[in-house]
Amino acid sequence: GDSVTQMEGPVTLSEEAFLTINCTYTATGYPSLFWYVQYPGEGLQLLLKATKADDKGSNKGFEATYRKETTSFHLEKGSVQVSDSAVYFCALMSYSSASKIIFGSGTRLSIRP
Amino acid sequence: KAGVTQTPRYLIKTRGQQVTLSCSPISGHRSVSWYQQTPGQGLQFLFEYFSETQRNKGNFPGRFSGRQFSNSRSEMNVSTLELGDSALYLCASSSGRILGEQYFGPGTRLTVT
Repeated sequence: GDSVTQMEGPVTLSEEAFLTINCTYTATGYPSLFWYVQYPGEGLQLLLKATKADDKGSNKGFEATYRKETTSFHLEKGSVQVSDSAVYFCALMSYSSASKIIFGSGTRLSIRP
Repeated sequence: KAGVTQTPRYLIKTRGQQVTLSCSPISGHRSVSWYQQTPGQGLQFLFEYFSETQRNKGNFPGRFSGRQFSNSRSEMNVSTLELGDSALYLCASSSGRILGEQYFGPGTRLTVT
């Protein structure tokens, strides 16, 4: 079945450091890919998405490119801020998974001032 | 536009009891999905309702049920509560026009003692 694998956390970085959170997926067909973020005590927010190969999703300085050849959707940000501290979830939805989103296990990110 | 609202935000129940959680989607959204989030299992899909019909279901026992009303509001019920049902229950709504684009509520934190 469809699945998402993302790097284990926690990840701790200093402010203004470069961020990469790795995400790979297994799916039949051509899934849509997403990054969601969960701030402490809150629900999930859609951060960015990409619906086809080579698409780049971007939002709030974060970017991720849909790489079909490597089945990856790595999240990057050039200069992180303390306010980026949260849990990040990579996710996919495909027509074979119908209307349900399949999430990775989440990566906790902590940014030191 | 108001976001997804969930009530109550926090709930404490005893083993064997039943509980009903409520979700009001974004106005105009006809799809409501429910997820269970636990530290051990991560985010797991429970079910999805669209226009009052259950359209998709995850791998949860029959103790977990739901329904959707004509105004798209949804309720989730868990009967005969077990300690393992302690979790954050998240509701997400979608217009259905963009595959995978779901908007999450803040969740209901259920503690079973």
